[in-house]
Amino acid sequence: AQSVTQLGSHVSVSEGALVLLRCNYSSSVPPYLFWYVQYPNQGLQLLLKYTTGATLVKGINGFEAEFKKSETSFHLTKPSAHMSDAAEYFCAVSDNAGNNRKLIWGLGTSLAVNP
Amino acid sequence: DTAVSQTPKYLVTQMGNDKSIKCEQNLGHDTMYWYKQDSKKFLKIMFSYNNKELIINETVPNRFSPKSPDKAHLNLHINSLELGDSAVYFCASSQVLQPSNSPLHFGNGTRLTVT
Repeated sequence: AQSVTQLGSHVSVSEGALVLLRCNYSSSVPPYLFWYVQYPNQGLQLLLKYTTGATLVKGINGFEAEFKKSETSFHLTKPSAHMSDAAEYFCAVSDNAGNNRKLIWGLGTSLAVNP
Repeated sequence: DTAVSQTPKYLVTQMGNDKSIKCEQNLGHDTMYWYKQDSKKFLKIMFSYNNKELIINETVPNRFSPKSPDKAHLNLHINSLELGDSAVYFCASSQVLQPSNSPLHFGNGTRLTVT
């Protein structure tokens, strides 16, 4: 069965510092991988996704993530945090073998950015 | 134009009442979902519909009944509301049914408070 683990339910960084949010998954088939962001009092929106091809994917707002099959990871990074990045971040996996009709979600990581 | 819109944004009601939440998407997507997000931000899928057909019906009390009059609308009716139903309910849509690389588009949520 597929699963998603986000290490660290809360991450705090200083403005301008590197952001690293960790996501590990388990899947018996090649996955589709997603990062979503949820700003306060809003719905989730897609940050970026990995489907096939290039393993380093770039998303909105300067975020990027790298798919590492050997490590079953899809960590999210941003070189320099901005105050506006404070939000909840969710990693999700979908298999591409047609067996699972739903996205599997991580529990989320709350990112705080300190001035 | 809002892609996925749900109403109302806030819903405060007493135990035992019946209430509905409406959702509409103007993206031309085939699939729509209802998610529940609890106070710890955990996301749980409740239902998914594809072209008005129920695809996923998770372990949700049968007090919750979705209705999809057409593929652009998915409403959620809740009977005999209980304190534990308090949460934020999100409607979402995707171009095609999961599993796929098609991301979800979320509404801004309905915060339901049962007193």
